[in-house]
Parts: sequence; structure tokens; C-alpha cells
Amino acid sequence: KQEVTQIPAALSVPEGENLVLNCSFTDSAIYNLQWFRQDPGKGLTSLLLIQSSQREQTSGRLNASLDKSSGRSTLYIAASQPGDSATYLCAVSGTGNQFYFGTGTSLTVIP
Amino acid sequence: DAGVIQSPRHEVTEMGQEVTLRCKPISGHDYLFWYRQTMMRGLELLIYFNNNVPIDDSGMPEDRFSAKMPNASFSTLKIQPSEPRDSAVYFCASSSGGSLNQPQHFGDGTRLSIL
Repeated sequence: KQEVTQIPAALSVPEGENLVLNCSFTDSAIYNLQWFRQDPGKGLTSLLLIQSSQREQTSGRLNASLDKSSGRSTLYIAASQPGDSATYLCAVSGTGNQFYFGTGTSLTVIP
Repeated sequence: DAGVIQSPRHEVTEMGQEVTLRCKPISGHDYLFWYRQTMMRGLELLIYFNNNVPIDDSGMPEDRFSAKMPNASFSTLKIQPSEPRDSAVYFCASSSGGSLNQPQHFGDGTRLSIL
């Protein structure tokens, strides 16, 4: 069974800093990897989706990379802002049409 | 454009009662997913539908759980009888494009507490 791990579980940074969130998975046979943001009491918002044939995706200050062979993905957030404070989750979809989520990284950006 | 709509937002009920959670996906989306989120287990996929047909229900924990999608604009997740360990936040999500390679759009969830 696919296992998805996110490290660190929590991260606190001062405003303006660039930061990297990590996601690792055990089975490289994936369709895609998604990064989500979850605000307290809310559902998940899809940030970026990287298909298995892609290496990275960018949206604004966010850049996600995928290295399937090593089972790793990173989410890079440039010039962090207090509004970026949330829990970030990665999820992989496997060839068996299954979806597996990591437990998330709780990010706090301090003004 | 309305997002995924779930009801109720909160549900508190006693053990043994039947619970029905409802979801209206985004119009035109052909995939619908039900998830459960707990502190201990994180986010788990319970079941998903494609064009109203259940495709994979291997995540449904027990026979007490059932899900239906009678039409493209409505789905229910039912728990009967409910137990305290079913307490969790249940999310519905939908996606379009005819494949699983599209972003999923989540509702705000139903927070379920079984006493």
C-alpha cells in the first residue's frame, strides 16, 4: 500500500522568507501528485497538480516539483505572507485508482 | 459559480442513530469522492463515483456505511447504525475532465459527532 509522508509536521517562519515543504511516497507508480491547502474548518483547495510525466508546476509564488524515481515532491513558497498560514497536504493517485494523502504540514507565517 | 455543497455542516447524534450526509457536486463534474478526516488517520478516501456509478468502495470501513449517487447532482453517504468511532469530518469532492488527472474541488465538510 502507498504511504505518503510529509515532513515537517509543523513549520513556523517569519514573513518574507522562502520555504520548502516536503512530501515523500513509497510507490512510484502514480498518475499524479497534488498539493492542497486546508484552512481551519474548511475543505481542501487544490494548489497544483503535477502529472506523472511532468517535473514541475508553477502558480504565482508556488512551485511544485516531482521526482518520481526517488518518490519525492517539494512545494516551494516564495516570499511567504501571513495569508499563507494553513495546513498543506500532498496526495498521490495511483494506477489502481486510489488516492493517498499525507498527514500535512501546518505552516505559520509570522508577521 | 457554486462550489461543492455539503449538508449539514454539523451533525450531533446519539449512537445507534442513522446519519445521512449530503453532497451536491459542481455542475458538469463527472467524478465524485467521499473522504473522511480524523486526527488519528488523516484524510481517507471512502468511495468514488464516475458518471453516477460507484467505481471503488474499498475504503468504506464497514457495512454500516453506504453511499449512493441517484443522479449527477446529488450524492448521499449514510451510516446506519452510527458509532462514536465514526466521529470525524466527512468531505465530498468533485472533478471533471473525464479522468483522474484533474484537480479535485472540495466542499467545506460535515463535522459529525456521535455521542
